[in-house]
Amino acid sequence: AQKVTQAQTEISVVEKEDVTLDCVYETRDTTYYLFWYKQPPSGELVFLIRRNSFDEQNEISGRYSWNFQKSTSSFNFTITASQVVDSAVYFCALSRPLTGGFKTIFGAGTRLFVKA
Amino acid sequence: DGGITQSPKYLFRKEGQNVTLSCEQNLNHDAMYWYRQDPGQGLRLIYYSQIVNDFQKGDIAEGYSVSREKKESFPLTVTSAQKNPTAFYLCASSARDNNQPQHFGDGTRLSIL
Repeated sequence: AQKVTQAQTEISVVEKEDVTLDCVYETRDTTYYLFWYKQPPSGELVFLIRRNSFDEQNEISGRYSWNFQKSTSSFNFTITASQVVDSAVYFCALSRPLTGGFKTIFGAGTRLFVKA
Repeated sequence: DGGITQSPKYLFRKEGQNVTLSCEQNLNHDAMYWYRQDPGQGLRLIYYSQIVNDFQKGDIAEGYSVSREKKESFPLTVTSAQKNPTAFYLCASSARDNNQPQHFGDGTRLSIL
């Protein structure tokens, strides 16, 4: 079965704290892609990062960093020195190939509150 | 600017009524998608289309219909057969390769009158 689990429903932090959003996935495919999206209050999802299953290098982009570990099927997202503008719902997603196309499965999302 | 436009932003449906949600993209993407978002359940795939004049059912297609007559447009009709239509609906598009991220519209919030 293909599944994406974001066990943290809501997280609340104070500005400047570091916060890690967990993502655990299940798949039998050897080739797949993992994504993180941010959904601000305006509603549209914004793409943050993509990782393929053969690239376990961690990535840092400004205050954002991602830790991909195939051994534990995890793709965790850390925000360093959080800011109020980081408040949003964050979705982890798994994209897998199907005959004639592909399918993306989203986790339930983690709502992050950053308080000033 | 390239992007995805969904309209209307808010929509109200009466009992027994069909309503259509609009989705237009000018990103020249082949693939388009419709998702339903309910609180605490993430996004669930309703329908997707990889190419013009072709579309496939997603996980929760019952009570919905789509068409893909033009590359730019992928309207979703919520029929009277959908007994619980109240939700936030998101349209997305992407290049056909599965390593490409999806681009999303601002969503349509549908409620029952």
